[in-house]
Amino acid sequence: DGGITQSPKYLFRKEGQNVTLSCEQNLNHDAMYWYRQDPGQGLRLIYYSQIVNDFQKGDIAEGYSVSREKKESFPLTVTSAQKNPTAFYLCASSGLGGSTDTQYFGPGTRLTVL
Amino acid sequence: ILNVEQSPQSLHVQEGDSTNFTCSFPSSNFYALHWYRWETAKSPEALFVMTLNGDEKKKGRISATLNTKEGYSYLYIKGSQPEDSATYLCASAGGTSYGKLTFGQGTILTVHP
Repeated sequence: DGGITQSPKYLFRKEGQNVTLSCEQNLNHDAMYWYRQDPGQGLRLIYYSQIVNDFQKGDIAEGYSVSREKKESFPLTVTSAQKNPTAFYLCASSGLGGSTDTQYFGPGTRLTVL
Repeated sequence: ILNVEQSPQSLHVQEGDSTNFTCSFPSSNFYALHWYRWETAKSPEALFVMTLNGDEKKKGRISATLNTKEGYSYLYIKGSQPEDSATYLCASAGGTSYGKLTFGQGTILTVHP
């Protein structure tokens, strides 16, 4: 079955630690995205990538880093510089990354900083 | 950052009722408007992508309209069913032709049997 997988589903981190969230897709999509959701707010774009080895900052990139070494994979690292990392993180992908392309979402990872 | 607003924030209706909610977005540099449905414990799922002023899309009992000149879109659900209970998200791809979406905060719909 084609789709997007994110792991783990739940993640706990101690303050001061970096942590990496996994996102894999087998839809053969060029574009991939990372969003963050906080209670009462819409999804906010962290980073996006429209092609392998290239990515752009979204609206709230500070304290996060990404890589896009393979078309299928777009891992997100939450660094210790992220002041308030506890949130729900969603990964998405779309065909070519155009404005009319439907984005397909993974099941999400809930990160809690202890 | 674009400001995309959805209203109401939440809505409770009875099974069989028809309902509608609104998405407002900046009308300048508009490219596309997306609607997604997000059921609890599932991933957001695309409903519609709309681009043209006056566009109207339909999928079963759900339909949507678009007014790009005044910057709003309506989502309608006819004869609501309990399985329609979800958060409905709209997102605007404005100011860029790339797939950089700005999401509203969502409307939470609860349909009571």
